[in-house]
Amino acid sequence: NAGVTQTPKFRILKIGQSMTLQCTQDMNHNYMYWYRQDPGMGLKLIYYSVGAGITDKGEVPNGYNVSRSTTEDFPLRLELAAPSQTSVYFCASRGQGESKNIQYFGAGTRLSVL
Amino acid sequence: QKEVEQNSGPLSVPEGAIASLNCTYSDRGSQSFFWYRQYSGKSPELIMSIYSNGDKEDGRFTAQLNKASQYVSLLIRDSQPSDSATYLCAVSRYSGGGADGLTFGKGTHLIIQP
Repeated sequence: NAGVTQTPKFRILKIGQSMTLQCTQDMNHNYMYWYRQDPGMGLKLIYYSVGAGITDKGEVPNGYNVSRSTTEDFPLRLELAAPSQTSVYFCASRGQGESKNIQYFGAGTRLSVL
Repeated sequence: QKEVEQNSGPLSVPEGAIASLNCTYSDRGSQSFFWYRQYSGKSPELIMSIYSNGDKEDGRFTAQLNKASQYVSLLIRDSQPSDSATYLCAVSRYSGGGADGLTFGKGTHLIIQP
C-alpha cells in the first residue's frame, strides 16, 4: 500500500517557468490537501479538495492552481514561478468519516526557484 | 486569523528524562488536536491525536488538552536519542466531518542528549 505519493522529489525552476507537482493516493480518500513549509516554519494550507471536481482555497493560494478530476489525483500547478515559492510542498489525504480528521502526508517535493 | 503558537526551541533534554512540549491556539472553536513528529528533510508523521479535555496516553507519549485554557501539551517519557526531531502541533475546527485543513504551529526542535 503506497499511501500518498508525490513527484518529483526535487526540482529547480527559473523565475517565470511553470510546473505541476503531482500527488496521488491509493487509499480511496475523499479529502486531499496541499501544504507548503518554509524553512523553520510550520505548514500552511494552499488548497484542498473534498472530492472529484471540488476544490477550495486555503490560507496561501496566490500563485497556485489545482484540479481534481479523479479521487486519486490532486495536482498543484505553479504558472509563473517566483522566488517566494521556494519551499517544500506536502500533499496529504484523509478519508471521509475516517477516525477523527487524521491526515496522511506524502514525502514532499522540494522546490527551488532561482 | 487562526494561530497556533509553539516555542521554537531548541529544547534540550537528557536521555531517559521527560520531555515536555507545549502549544497554545487562538481559535476557541477548535475540536481536533494533533502532534506530528518531523525529522529533518522528512514529512510529518502523526504520533498523537486528542479531542477531549484531559490526558491521552500511548506508550511513552502522553497528550494533554485543556480547552478552557486553549492549551495542548505532549509529554515524552524515557526520552531516547531517536526522539530528537521537530514536533509540530496542529489543530482543526472539525472532529471528523469537516474538510478544512490543519493549522500548524512552527514546531519545537527537541534534542535528546545521550
